[in-house]
Amino acid sequence: DAGVIQSPRHEVTEMGQEVTLRCKPISGHDYLFWYRQTMMRGLELLIYFNNNVPIDDSGMPEDRFSAKMPNASFSTLKIQPSEPRDSAVYFCASSFSTPLAGFSNQPQHFGDGTRLSIL
Amino acid sequence: KQEVTQIPAALSVPEGENLVLNCSFTDSAIYNLQWFRQDPGKGLTSLLLIQSSQREQTSGRLNASLDKSSGRSTLYIAASQPGDSATYLCAMYSGGGADGLTFGKGTHLIIQP
Repeated sequence: DAGVIQSPRHEVTEMGQEVTLRCKPISGHDYLFWYRQTMMRGLELLIYFNNNVPIDDSGMPEDRFSAKMPNASFSTLKIQPSEPRDSAVYFCASSFSTPLAGFSNQPQHFGDGTRLSIL
Repeated sequence: KQEVTQIPAALSVPEGENLVLNCSFTDSAIYNLQWFRQDPGKGLTSLLLIQSSQREQTSGRLNASLDKSSGRSTLYIAASQPGDSATYLCAMYSGGGADGLTFGKGTHLIIQP
């Protein structure tokens, strides 16, 4: 089975431009997570979805960030307008279930990430 | 808010040594703890998952332990190999309603041939 697939792998764009990151979770996984990794702050949860519905977006840094999951096999994370401080590696992860849903034995599976550079 | 610390931040050892990576956390009310491996330019690979009711998990040369009362987990790597060189991250599900993982900043491990 294919793992979590993210695109693009690398994105370089100028400040002010719109950026769209894409993710295809593992088939059958009901949970999808977006994380951001920086040297200063490490990996941080931005938002997660359950059955395509956003559950918790408290980690989204600003209104410039938005995420959607129009169906079970696709999610996007959009930054508009982008700023240099948004430069980071963005990861998507999926899982079959979570501890809060009653399953504490389900690992999260991560994609290879999108390395974003805003000039 | 859960805080996760991994010590040391970096470690370099000769091939063949047994080694221990440490992870400490401030809130013992966790559901599970995962150890991940991250290779440069790659995503995270799940190595071991320990549920809160368990004390340890083993996979090949890897053994992870969990002591919730002291807020600690260790990852033991036996007979280290150059291919073990990577960054190792611990992460956990905690209470508080948020259903995502809280990560440490990782230990960057180099195994010298």
